[in-house]
Amino acid sequence: DTEVTQTPKHLVMGMTNKKSLKCEQHMGHRAMYWYKQKAKKPPELMFVYSYEKLSINESVPSRFSPECPNSSLLNLHLHALQPEDSALYLCASSPLKAGTQQPQHFGDGTRLSIL
Amino acid sequence: SQELEQSPQSLIVQEGKNLTINCTSSKTLYGLYWYKQKYGEGLIFLMMLQKGGEEKSHEKITAKLDEKKQQSSLHITASQPSHAGIYLCGAAQGGSEKLVFGKGTKLTVNP
Repeated sequence: DTEVTQTPKHLVMGMTNKKSLKCEQHMGHRAMYWYKQKAKKPPELMFVYSYEKLSINESVPSRFSPECPNSSLLNLHLHALQPEDSALYLCASSPLKAGTQQPQHFGDGTRLSIL
Repeated sequence: SQELEQSPQSLIVQEGKNLTINCTSSKTLYGLYWYKQKYGEGLIFLMMLQKGGEEKSHEKITAKLDEKKQQSSLHITASQPSHAGIYLCGAAQGGSEKLVFGKGTKLTVNP
């Protein structure tokens, strides 16, 4: 069982809908990540939060809006998405230790379909 | 930007056979990660390698890092159907928190 929990597991929404993806971890990790993964492709980084502050935004369209309300939670707010945004959205977390690399631990993802 | 090339792209082996997957980086490696993914699921962390010449093992999976060649290999001994999945190597770009991945190696193990 993964220690990073993502909800919902599946989401179908229309292009005019507003929805949110949620991610939670209780490992005390201070870095959290959103990735997008299209079929038969590797995950692509979207956002990184370090100590609840946005540290990396990989030029993601504004229809994706991340939020980190506290050190355990990460949200991704969705609005006016396009069919090409259909994908598996993965959340990950990792410890932050100065001067060392730390592995990222992934959730099982949310399968998003845009109608 | 850093790119990771994995080979082979796919691999079909008979149960009990050994196999090796390779990952080569276009730039200096600050850390190399191996993950396994089942279709439509999340990534399972296998191992992290940080130092040249480092070798780690977990059950029947061994990974090595050749820092000079900017390359890592993942070796599975006596493969089992449970080893089937997509193996991804990942590296921290420029030593940052940004992880980039290879395109993956799809492993099928026939009983």
